[in-house]
Amino acid sequence: AQSVAQPEDQVNVAEGNPLTVKCTYSVSGNPYLFWYVQYPNRGLQFLLKYITGDNLVKGSYGFEAEFNKSQTSFHLKKPSALVSDSALYFCAVRDITGNKLVFGAGTILRVKS
Amino acid sequence: DSGVTQTPKHLITATGQRVTLRCSPRSGDLSVYWYQQSLDQGLQFLIQYYNGEERAKGNILERFSAQQFPDLHSELNLSSLELGDSALYFCASSVEGGAASYEQYFGPGTRLTVT
Repeated sequence: AQSVAQPEDQVNVAEGNPLTVKCTYSVSGNPYLFWYVQYPNRGLQFLLKYITGDNLVKGSYGFEAEFNKSQTSFHLKKPSALVSDSALYFCAVRDITGNKLVFGAGTILRVKS
Repeated sequence: DSGVTQTPKHLITATGQRVTLRCSPRSGDLSVYWYQQSLDQGLQFLIQYYNGEERAKGNILERFSAQQFPDLHSELNLSSLELGDSALYFCASSVEGGAASYEQYFGPGTRLTVT
């Protein structure tokens, strides 16, 4: 079965510093990977996806993610964090046996000024 | 704004009751998904409909049911509610249900509190 793991419950970073939110995956076949962000009392917002092609995927709000097949990872990155980036981030993989998204547990990102 | 709408935003009800959650997908999207978000279970897929037909089922209880109507809006029915059903219920939609590469767009959710 497809699964993703987010090893960090929380990531703290200072404003202006680079940030990384980690995600590793386990899939059979080609992975279809996604990152979503959830702000308090809001729904999930799509950030970016990896389907095929370049290992560095660019998404919304200056975020990017690096797909690494050998390490089965799909880490979310941003060169310079903003306080407004503070939110809950989810990594997800599309289940090839159906169409559901399988989510990780989520990582809280706190950016301090 | 994702373009997916859900009503109501909040719902407070008692154990044993029945509620209906409603979702309207983005214009042009044929596929609707329902997810449950709770502190202990995280985000769990419940069920998917594509153009009016059930396409996939996840961890959906027998007390729960859903349907998608000809105008493509969907309803999730929760009956014989228990305290443990308290959660945030999300609806998502995507362009086409069969292509694994299409992202899903989520609504703002319905927060259900069972007392």
